[in-house]
Amino acid sequence: DGGITQSPKYLFRKEGQNVTLSCEQNLNHDAMYWYRQDPGQGLRLIYYSQIVNDFQKGDIAEGYSVSREKKESFPLTVTSAQKNPTAFYLCASSRAGGERTDTQYFGPGTRLTVL
Amino acid sequence: AQTVTQSQPEMSVQEAETVTLSCTYDTSESDYYLFWYKQPPSRQMILVIRQEAYKQQNATENRFSVNFQKAAKSFSLKISDSQLGDAAMYFCAYRSHYTGANSKLTFGKGITLSVRP
Repeated sequence: DGGITQSPKYLFRKEGQNVTLSCEQNLNHDAMYWYRQDPGQGLRLIYYSQIVNDFQKGDIAEGYSVSREKKESFPLTVTSAQKNPTAFYLCASSRAGGERTDTQYFGPGTRLTVL
Repeated sequence: AQTVTQSQPEMSVQEAETVTLSCTYDTSESDYYLFWYKQPPSRQMILVIRQEAYKQQNATENRFSVNFQKAAKSFSLKISDSQLGDAAMYFCAYRSHYTGANSKLTFGKGITLSVRP
């Protein structure tokens, strides 16, 4: 089946640790995105990538890092510099050409909790 | 910068009835896209419907339809024949026509819809 997978579903981190959230897609989409969701809030963009080996900061990139070495994969690292990392993280992807390039499809999300 | 406002935090509807969820947005652009996403308790974001701003015709997808008022910058979602499975949080989102940094989605804060049996 084509889709977006995120792992793990739940992640616990001690203060001062870096953790990496996985996002993989087999939709052959060029663009990938990371959003953060806090209670009572909509989603906010952390980073996005429109092509392999290139990525751009979103609205709340501080304390996060990403890489895009493969088209299918866009991992997000939450560093110890992120002051309030407890949140729900969603990965999305979209086409960069052809029809429906505007539409983003989402993975199931990762819930990160800092202990 | 674009903003999306969903002013009603919660709504409730009787099963089989119709409900309308409101959304307004602010932009200086003339060409853009609007979306409604559904987030059930599983927290998976599911696309419900999309609207292209240059199209005057309102989008429909089965029981879901929108009322797109470009001049008023309003984009409401109507759910007909509500079902228990429609209970979820619904997010309105905006995307610029342009690519690059503008390809991000700007979300409202969401509205929680409950369906009474």
